Amino acid sequence: DVKVTQSSRYLVKRTGEKVFLECVQDMDHENMFWYRQDPGLGLRLIYFSYDVKMKEKGDIPEGYSVSREKKERFSLILESASTNQTSMYLCASSSPHRGRAKMTFGAGSRLTVL
Amino acid sequence: AQTVTQSQPEMSVQEAETVTLSCTYDTSENNYYLFWYKQPPSRQMILVIRQEAYKQQNATENRFSVNFQKAAKSFSLKISDSQLGDTAMYFCAFMKPEYGNKLVFGAGTILRVKS
Repeated sequence: DVKVTQSSRYLVKRTGEKVFLECVQDMDHENMFWYRQDPGLGLRLIYFSYDVKMKEKGDIPEGYSVSREKKERFSLILESASTNQTSMYLCASSSPHRGRAKMTFGAGSRLTVL
Repeated sequence: AQTVTQSQPEMSVQEAETVTLSCTYDTSENNYYLFWYKQPPSRQMILVIRQEAYKQQNATENRFSVNFQKAAKSFSLKISDSQLGDTAMYFCAFMKPEYGNKLVFGAGTILRVKS
């Protein structure tokens, strides 16, 4: 089974801090994603990447950036954390092949910004 | 843009009974995929079932089955013989096959199975 690993389960940061959320997958998937999960809003796509060094904005990219220097690793960066970025962040990866369309998720990182 | 609507924020069911979770979506595409994901208290998202829009036959996975009505843009999940371990948040999701294969999610339905 594909494994997607997020480096931190829980983080507490202060307003204005730079925050890195790391994600690694072990199945050579081309596509990787960062979602944000909030009650009543479901999962909303922040950024995704379909290849190394390639990135595309999702639905809510403001206040975030990403980095994908290696195929297996996709990082989400909050340049200056704000309290409204307190949330659950989910990383995912998938194969680009339609016949095997399936997204596999990490366990999530719960970020609290004080 | 595609949207996914789950109109039931919370549901409960007695153990061993059957429950149906609703999902509707809006798209102008003809070829797409639909998914149900389960997120238990552990937070790990687990794929429950997948449906290809070009297949008329409803997908089934053991106690889980879907009622896919393409014309009505409806994709409900039926859980038979509910078990305590089915207690979780359930998300309906839509995917249009394109580069990236992004998923669009509904708001989720919390299902509680009671003993």
